[in-house]
Amino acid sequence: KNEVEQSPQNLTAQEGEFITINCSYSVGISALHWLQQHPGGGIVSLFMLSSGKKKHGRLIATINIQEKHSSLHITASHPRDSAVYICAAPNSGGSNYKLTFGKGTLLTVNP
Amino acid sequence: GAVVSQHPSRVICKSGTSVKIECRSLDFQATTMFWYRQFPKQSLMLMATSNEGSKATYEQGVEKDKFLINHASLTLSTLTVTSAHPEDSSFYICSARDPWTSGSYNEQFFGPGTRLTVL
Repeated sequence: KNEVEQSPQNLTAQEGEFITINCSYSVGISALHWLQQHPGGGIVSLFMLSSGKKKHGRLIATINIQEKHSSLHITASHPRDSAVYICAAPNSGGSNYKLTFGKGTLLTVNP
Repeated sequence: GAVVSQHPSRVICKSGTSVKIECRSLDFQATTMFWYRQFPKQSLMLMATSNEGSKATYEQGVEKDKFLINHASLTLSTLTVTSAHPEDSSFYICSARDPWTSGSYNEQFFGPGTRLTVL
């Protein structure tokens, strides 16, 4: 099983700040997911990435397969970005699709 | 990206009744769907893997007779919580694997989740 660690657990920022959330995992994988979960709400898939970098609006995700590390960045943060951000990694490389989830990072963006 | 829906989004039931939750892939055919459970302030935990046309594979500690999974078509998997008890109250989430994703890893898309409250 993959061990997935996220940091920080909690993050408070002022509107407009640049946010970074980190995710490390123990088993080499072929791809990693970033998810967003609003309080009381459902899961939204943000990214799945297997190498390099992906960008969607103000969100940027990067991954370094060799170092087993991924980061999620939010530029020009806004209060509506307040949510729990979760990374999830497959339990092994190749085509194993069972995911292990990090405990999540609770982001609060104050106006 | 692809869309996965769940129905209902919220359900409240009495203890001892059964509740069915649907998971649908709306614009792709999913040969594999996954069911997860999330308790408050905890991570998602995989309950079972649902394969179209065959029996689901349950994770250790998950009662297969209590959590019945049916994946009767390539776009629909259902989770039935039988004889629900208050300790079954949780957030249930499904994901669906798109086998046509390019590359060696097929992407999973997540449903919005179903909040079950058992009184």
